[in-house]
Amino acid sequence: KAGVTQTPRYLIKTRGQQVTLSCSPISGHRSVSWYQQTPGQGLQFLFEYFSETQRNKGNFPGRFSGRQFSNSRSEMNVSTLELGDSALYLCASSWDRGAETQYFGPGTRLLVL
Amino acid sequence: GENVEQHPSTLSVQEGDSAVIKCTYSDSASNYFPWYKQELGKRPQLIIDIRSNVGEKKDQRIAVTLNKTAKHFSLHITETQPEDSAVYFCAASKNSGYSTLTFGKGTMLLVSP
Repeated sequence: KAGVTQTPRYLIKTRGQQVTLSCSPISGHRSVSWYQQTPGQGLQFLFEYFSETQRNKGNFPGRFSGRQFSNSRSEMNVSTLELGDSALYLCASSWDRGAETQYFGPGTRLLVL
Repeated sequence: GENVEQHPSTLSVQEGDSAVIKCTYSDSASNYFPWYKQELGKRPQLIIDIRSNVGEKKDQRIAVTLNKTAKHFSLHITETQPEDSAVYFCAASKNSGYSTLTFGKGTMLLVSP
């Protein structure tokens, strides 16, 4: 099976702009989680989607949002970008809700200038 | 919420030596503990995991031990090789119906030839 894929892989934006990142899970996986990775804070949970519904959300401001489509592909959006949003954004898929074993995509590296 | 502490933050060993990375967790309801390896510029990859009904699990040169009473778990790598050099993350999750992992801050392992 193909692994988790994410697009784009790299992105440069300026403060105040918005960005949309995409994640395609492993075929057959229905749960997608998003994480932010920074040198200072490590890997932090953003949100989880299952069956097009957000099931859990981490401690991030409302500027961070996401959605999931009927084919399980997911997007996350960050509005009004801030310098501190520069990070590696990783998505992970698992076969079902509550399935703990997660497989990560390669990530999207976002740089906010 | 769950909090995972990981030590040490960096670990340097000689090829052939053993390496041990330790993590503690705060939520006694956590029952799934995966370890991920992340090489520079790559995605985190699951290398081993353990559930709370098991005290130890081994896969070739890698082993994980879990002490539920003390709420800590450890990764043991024997006969280290230069290709083991990477950042290792521990994580914890509870069977709450959500696929949410709480990660430690990571350990950079450097194996010198």
